[in-house]
Formats: sequence, structure tokens, C-alpha cells
Amino acid sequence: ETGVTQSPTHLIKTRGQQVTLRCSSQSGHNTVSWYQQALGQGPQFIFQYYREEENGRGNFPPRFSGLQFPNYSSELNVNALELDDSALYLCASSLGQGATETQYFGPGTRLLVL
Amino acid sequence: GESVGLHLPTLSVQEGDNSIINCAYSNSASDYFIWYKQESGKGPQFIIDIRSNMDKRQGQRVTVLLNKTVKHLSLQIAATQPGDSAVYFCAEIPNYGQNFVFGPGTRLSVLP
Repeated sequence: ETGVTQSPTHLIKTRGQQVTLRCSSQSGHNTVSWYQQALGQGPQFIFQYYREEENGRGNFPPRFSGLQFPNYSSELNVNALELDDSALYLCASSLGQGATETQYFGPGTRLLVL
Repeated sequence: GESVGLHLPTLSVQEGDNSIINCAYSNSASDYFIWYKQESGKGPQFIIDIRSNMDKRQGQRVTVLLNKTVKHLSLQIAATQPGDSAVYFCAEIPNYGQNFVFGPGTRLSVLP
């Protein structure tokens, strides 16, 4: 186990609702990255937070937003949910924002949008 | 855009045999590559990494080979065990980016 935890494990929402997913990073890690993994595909980068600031963003619309707290835990918020948002949401923590810092993943939150 | 892909979506091997999982990448400027293993219901687990200034790196029962000429990455697993059954992803860091670009994955099934 990596020490990265995520909550909840599973979630069911309806189209148009809002959702907040949570991630606690591994002890000593100050960087959290969020990924969306659709069924049967590889994870797609959403954004990264380093020391409470957004530090890079993938090709996701503004209704995907996030926060990082002083203890380096993080939240992913998705507004106006769409059916295609159904996926496994993964967070990964790392020691720093460097390009070659290994990212350690949590078990993910599986979101189903009906 | 840049992408990372795999030659084989599924691979079945006999227990005890060696496994080779292949990956093609398209960004010749990528600096860093990682292999992850993802078991059902779990997040990806780091296996091994390699930097672009190397062509081979060995870990415990695993070896990663990097061929920059043809932009090809492979993961070799020696003496494959039932616990190796999972989906394997290669990922690259496009030059000095901070996010990994993952391929679609290869499912490895170990037959008894």
C-alpha cells in the first residue's frame, strides 16, 4: 500500500449534480495530482497541486476544480456532472513537483453518473 | 497530441515463463518513463522507471528496456507468477512536464 487514501470509495450521482472527492497524500509528500480513468483506458491527467497552488492542468473543462490544504490533502470538485464523467478518479502524491518525482497512487473513487 | 500506446492489449503467459509487455511512445523528447501495475479495484502501483539517458534498468524480477531510436519501451517479467496478473501501463513525462501521459494498458493473464 502507498499510504495515499481517497474517499469515498464509490459514489453515485445524477446528471447536473456536483461532487467532491477527497485525497490524503502520503506522509511527507507535498504534491498531489488527480487523474480520471475511464473504463478500459489509462489514467488521464486532470491537474496537479503543489504547496496549495495549481501547478499544471490537463485538457479538462473549468467545471473540474480542486484545492490543496496546508496539510497537503486535496479535493477534486466537479460541477454540472455529465454522464461521461463516470470513471475512476485517482489521486497520486509525490515528494515534489519535479518531472521525475515518482507518483504514488491511491485506490481511487469510482463515480457513476446516472 | 503526444500519445503513448501499446502493441498488445492482452497477453496470456504460462506460470513460470517470462513475460514481455511492449509500449510505443511518440514524443522523442520525453525524458522519463515509468511502468505501473494496476490490479482490479486498486490504483496503479509503481514497478520500475527509466530515464532517457539509459537503455536498460533492472529491478526485482523486472527489467525495463528503452530503445530511443524506435521510441519503444518494454517491460520484462521473469518467472511470471499468478500475482503478476494485472493491467500494465507505461507512462511518459513529455519533456519537463509534470504530468504523466499513460498508454491504454495491457492486460497480463498468468495461466496455471
